[in-house]
Amino acid sequence: EAQVTQNPRYLITVTGKKLTVTCSQNMNHEYMSWYRQDPGLGLRQIYYSMNVEVTDKGDVPEGYKVSRKEKRNFPLILESPSPNQTSLYFCASRDRESYEQYFGPGTRLTVT
Amino acid sequence: RKEVEQDPGPFNVPEGATVAFNCTYSNSASQSFFWYRQDCRKEPKLLMSVYSSGNEDGRFTAQLNRASQYISLLIRDSKLSDSATYLCVVLSGNTPLVFGKGTRLSVIA
Repeated sequence: EAQVTQNPRYLITVTGKKLTVTCSQNMNHEYMSWYRQDPGLGLRQIYYSMNVEVTDKGDVPEGYKVSRKEKRNFPLILESPSPNQTSLYFCASRDRESYEQYFGPGTRLTVT
Repeated sequence: RKEVEQDPGPFNVPEGATVAFNCTYSNSASQSFFWYRQDCRKEPKLLMSVYSSGNEDGRFTAQLNRASQYISLLIRDSKLSDSATYLCVVLSGNTPLVFGKGTRLSVIA
């Protein structure tokens, strides 16, 4: 089954404790992205990657890091999480030609 | 001006009603347009692409007006299961997709 998976789905952590949210897709897509979604603000792109070893900042990259060492994986790293990073996070991927974007099920992160 | 703007709603309509959403975009060079649907606390999913000539998929009709830089989504004979947030999405060149904030629809029995 074609899908984007994210782990963990739910995470409660404390300020400053480094965490990684994994993202994996099995569709051989070139493009992958991370978004956060907050009430009233919609989906905001954090980082995106157009291929292996190519990453670019989105609209809200501060406080986040990503890497794209393999085509299928695109982890999101919060080196020192803060409460304002409490949000619903989505990973997504798409093929360069089709433009249809597939989203993972989301990760709900709470930073206390 | 924001790149993609939508009326946030909510639109509360009775079952069977026809409802229309509009979305405006600021980049006149945008070439591809889509509507995504997002159920509460779920991931967005592609509903339909929007073509210059307009396109229909069952009860859903999408239209594009390049001159005025807006796209629309029409839902006929609304069902309870249509309740969701509808996201307008625009693609300009080799750049990431740009999402609107979404329009919330509630279909009431």
